[in-house]
Amino acid sequence: DAGVTQSPTHLIKTRGQQVTLRCSPKSGHDTVSWYQQALGQGPQFIFQYYEEEERQRGNFPDRFSGHQFPNYSSELNVNALLLGDSALYLCASSLYAVRRADTQYFGPGTRLTVL
Amino acid sequence: AQRVTQPEKLLSVFKGAPVELKCNYSYSGSPELFWYVQYSRQRLQLLLRHISRESIKGFTADLNKGETSFHLKKPFAQEEDSAMYYCALSGLSNTGKLIFGQGTTLQVKP
Repeated sequence: DAGVTQSPTHLIKTRGQQVTLRCSPKSGHDTVSWYQQALGQGPQFIFQYYEEEERQRGNFPDRFSGHQFPNYSSELNVNALLLGDSALYLCASSLYAVRRADTQYFGPGTRLTVL
Repeated sequence: AQRVTQPEKLLSVFKGAPVELKCNYSYSGSPELFWYVQYSRQRLQLLLRHISRESIKGFTADLNKGETSFHLKKPFAQEEDSAMYYCALSGLSNTGKLIFGQGTTLQVKP
């Protein structure tokens, strides 16, 4: 089991563009959470998906949206990119039935640079 | 407001010295507290959580509700402990949503 995988590893976009990041959860997991980690900061919770629905959301604008597919993989979409969206985007997977924060497994992240 | 504060960006110690990474939190309720670690070129991983009251790699952390603190301690630092450490909390009603501190880089010098 490769654990949580994310693609791409790095991405460079310009202001105003749109971006899609992808995440495949750890085998057996059905819940995906997304975090944004700006340089020098801790990760910030964006939202969580289970059964293809957004279950929880952090303090992020509607430009940030997501999707979960029947195979539990997930996408994070960011529209109208701003320079401030430059960050490492982390995906974490878990099992909803357990519903404990300590059972989350993190992926390696996607580094997004907005120019 | 829910918040986790790690006052030190960098903590540098010599091998064999004691280590204490500070973490203070603000939360109206009974949170769960965690320490996550990220070694160089590796992904973020759970180190320990307060509920288990266990020692992992020689590290311990005690939840002090009076001082709202959850400091991470190790009596004798090793070079392989050098990493970024994040304190995080999860409210019992917000399962899956972790609130992280800004992180502390621990540098253990030979």
